[in-house]
Amino acid sequence: DAKTTQPPSMDCAEGRAANLPCNHSTISGNEYVYWYRQIHSQGPQYIIHGLKNNETNEMASLIITEDRKSSTLILPHATLRDTAVYYCIAKKPINFGNEKLTFGTGTRLTIIP
Amino acid sequence: GAGVSQSPRYKVAKRGQDVALRCDPISGHVSLFWYQQALGQGPEFLTYFQNEAQLDKSGLPSDRFFAERPEGSVSTLKIQRTQQEDSAVYLCASSLAPFELFFGEGSRLTVL
Repeated sequence: DAKTTQPPSMDCAEGRAANLPCNHSTISGNEYVYWYRQIHSQGPQYIIHGLKNNETNEMASLIITEDRKSSTLILPHATLRDTAVYYCIAKKPINFGNEKLTFGTGTRLTIIP
Repeated sequence: GAGVSQSPRYKVAKRGQDVALRCDPISGHVSLFWYQQALGQGPEFLTYFQNEAQLDKSGLPSDRFFAERPEGSVSTLKIQRTQQEDSAVYLCASSLAPFELFFGEGSRLTVL
């Protein structure tokens, strides 16, 4: 799995868009970008994943640069409940037997009222 | 239940005691994982089951750690002769389809 680099912490005002960057400059062509988050005292929660196209779901949007060396997770209207540690993971396609995720230390996002 | 259930949520053990942590995955989920999370760190992989088969135990830190899933459903992580460095949150996750792991809330182990 490719190494990912994230800022250790970020703040965002409530109601604004939170943009969380991730660098994965050594990502290979078949590695996906996954995002999970971990709210205090809970287990990690899947947010979104993508390969090369931008992706959007009910939780967030994922923007991947054309060269795939970096990506940004966007929470469009951050709320206090979005305060959490966000993990960016680059991983080869998952199939049964290859689902192990390697978490780093992530970005601690704090939403400011 | 709707999610992954872990018990106990909190466990305090004296150094040298054996502990057992239980995980009830989401019904029908084939894959089951155990992770260890030290304070301030991201989760670290311990071991992986596909049904009852333990396919990867490369993350188990020592032979004091043992996991089983005898009927392909409930799993137990056992730690023998606990040490202070074993203090951590132990997370269980299960999955059915690729991409998304569902995690429990974890079992917080404190070894005194």
